[in-house]
Amino acid sequence: EDQVTQSPEALRLQEGESSSLNCSYTVSGLRGLFWYRQDPGKGPEFLFTLYSAGEEKEKERLKATLTKKESFLHITAPKPEDSATYLCAGSYDKVIFGPGTSLSVIP
Amino acid sequence: DGGITQSPKYLFRKEGQNVTLSCEQNLNHDAMYWYRQDPGQGLRLIYYSQIVNDFQKGDIAEGYSVSREKKESFPLTVTSAQKNPTAFYLCASSIDGWSSGANVLTFGAGSRLTVL
Repeated sequence: EDQVTQSPEALRLQEGESSSLNCSYTVSGLRGLFWYRQDPGKGPEFLFTLYSAGEEKEKERLKATLTKKESFLHITAPKPEDSATYLCAGSYDKVIFGPGTSLSVIP
Repeated sequence: DGGITQSPKYLFRKEGQNVTLSCEQNLNHDAMYWYRQDPGQGLRLIYYSQIVNDFQKGDIAEGYSVSREKKESFPLTVTSAQKNPTAFYLCASSIDGWSSGANVLTFGAGSRLTVL
């Protein structure tokens, strides 16, 4: 059974303190790896799609990378407005979502 | 602006009642999806439709029903057979279905259903 897992479950950072979120996925049959941001009480918003190992994509303070078995979402010098839940999803014959990492950035 | 509109945002249901959640998109997307989100769990797929007048069960379809009579609309009915319906429900769409590759999902703002 295809699986997507994320760690940590929750992360609390001081403003400016860089860190990374992890997403592990079933390798076989992966068509693409997605990252979404979800604010409380709202629907997820698309951030990145990664297709092959070694690929990297950036947007403001966020950089997503993909290895053969993991993806990382690096957050550089985060600000309080980066606080949200970050969801990772693998596209197979259907899309499978991980449980998310809840990020809190404290001023 | 193109997007997905879900209504109502909040809904309360008494035990034994059926309720219908609305989902409308103006993105001209072929595929539409319904997900359920519970605290601490990933999004779980209820139903999906890749084309008008056709839909398939997802991982947790029991107690739910859908229809896809128009490209723009994909309503979800939560029936009395769903034993634990309190959750956050998300509707999404994509340009094509999953058979055509890794397609980005566009989500609505969600509907929160509470059973009294």
